[in-house]
Amino acid sequence: GAGVSQSPSNKVTEKGKDVELRCDPISGHTALYWYRQRLGQGLEFLIYFQGNSAPDKSGLPSDRFSAERTGESVSTLTIQRTQQEDSAVYLCASSPGTFAIGGETQYFGPGTRLLVL
Amino acid sequence: KQEVTQIPAALSVPEGENLVLNCSFTDSAIYNLQWFRQDPGKGLTSLLLIQSSQREQTSGRLNASLDKSSGRSTLYIAASQPGDSATYLCAVPNTGNQFYFGTGTSLTVIP
Repeated sequence: GAGVSQSPSNKVTEKGKDVELRCDPISGHTALYWYRQRLGQGLEFLIYFQGNSAPDKSGLPSDRFSAERTGESVSTLTIQRTQQEDSAVYLCASSPGTFAIGGETQYFGPGTRLLVL
Repeated sequence: KQEVTQIPAALSVPEGENLVLNCSFTDSAIYNLQWFRQDPGKGLTSLLLIQSSQREQTSGRLNASLDKSSGRSTLYIAASQPGDSATYLCAVPNTGNQFYFGTGTSLTVIP
């Protein structure tokens, strides 16, 4: 079946502009994660959605970042007034289970490479 | 906050060699640990998952071990092949459903 897809695959924007990144999880997966990976660094957790529960936004670095998810489907990550430090690969992952501690693995999309000039 | 460290940051070996990648974590109260592979321009692929009650997991030429008390995990790759070239990441979840990832080991297997 289809895996996790993300769009756009690459995005170049000017400092100060807003960008919207999209993630289509695997159908039926209740959990969805957004991560940021800066060049040469590890993955940084941003936000977690689980079904209709309130999302875990504890990883969002500033109020310029926000994310939404429609039910158990598409999610969008929005970055307002982009800064050069926002340049990174933004990865989305989905999982069929409810808890990471239960050993559910995550299925990752190919990522969106964002460059802020 | 959990901190995950991977050593070495980069590794280059000739084809056919056996190799070990290391992962350490500061909070030993983990539920499981996963090893992922990341290929350039692609997302991550899960390789092995070890539950906290397990000592090791094997899949083909890959063997992952876990020592919770010392906060360490190793990924052993036997008879390396050029197709194994990728970045390998380890990750541990916390109770809040956050995954903490290491910075990865970039492996190059030379034909």
